[in-house]
Amino acid sequence: EVQLVESGGGLVQPGGSLRLSCAASGFTFSSYWMHWVRQAPGKGLVWVSRIDADGSTTTYADSVKGRFTISRDNAKNTLYLQMSSLRAEDTAVYYCARDKIVSAAHDAFDVWGQGTMVAVSS
Amino acid sequence: DIVMTQSPDSLAVSLGERATINCKSSQSVFYSSNNENYLAWYQQKPGQPPKLLIYWASTRESGVPDRFSGSGSGTDFTLTISSLQAEDVAVYYCQQYYSSPPFFGQGTKLEIK
Repeated sequence: EVQLVESGGGLVQPGGSLRLSCAASGFTFSSYWMHWVRQAPGKGLVWVSRIDADGSTTTYADSVKGRFTISRDNAKNTLYLQMSSLRAEDTAVYYCARDKIVSAAHDAFDVWGQGTMVAVSS
Repeated sequence: DIVMTQSPDSLAVSLGERATINCKSSQSVFYSSNNENYLAWYQQKPGQPPKLLIYWASTRESGVPDRFSGSGSGTDFTLTISSLQAEDVAVYYCQQYYSSPPFFGQGTKLEIK
């Protein structure tokens, strides 16, 4: 079964850091671009970041650029999001998602994890 | 950046009736080299992650009921549910993946009248 499972969320103080993980299984993880998408409580979907199949190319939303770092370990089939200088407005459920087509740079997201909640509050 | 705007923000439709959701992009998402529109539709039910329904503007994802259809080209797109079922209550999002960032629309909440 193709699956993505996020972990690492929690409550953190403003200015703090957190690392999210997304464990992939059931497919050749190293062949796909991967993404992080977040959703603030009661709000819509917001794309956060993406990384290419071998980890050499990354892109970020302006709202997180310079604070968040996306990475992957293809040997461990795991995607990461290192978040620092966290703000209240970063509070959201964070989803990892997979591009539908192998090695595609522009594609729909066909597999999503269940999400992990990040709350930034003092 | 290509901004996506959906209409309406919310919609109430009777069971068995047609539901139509519109999505407009600020720039064309049609790529002439492969004759495809880089537009997807997602369904999100409460407490669940989004689910891909439609990609390339009109191609149904495997397992998606054929009452869901997508249409449009360039900058104007439509998701149609031909005969609304109770399980279709959800928020629906369009997304362009023509360029980065792959923005989503703000969502349309679909309810039963």
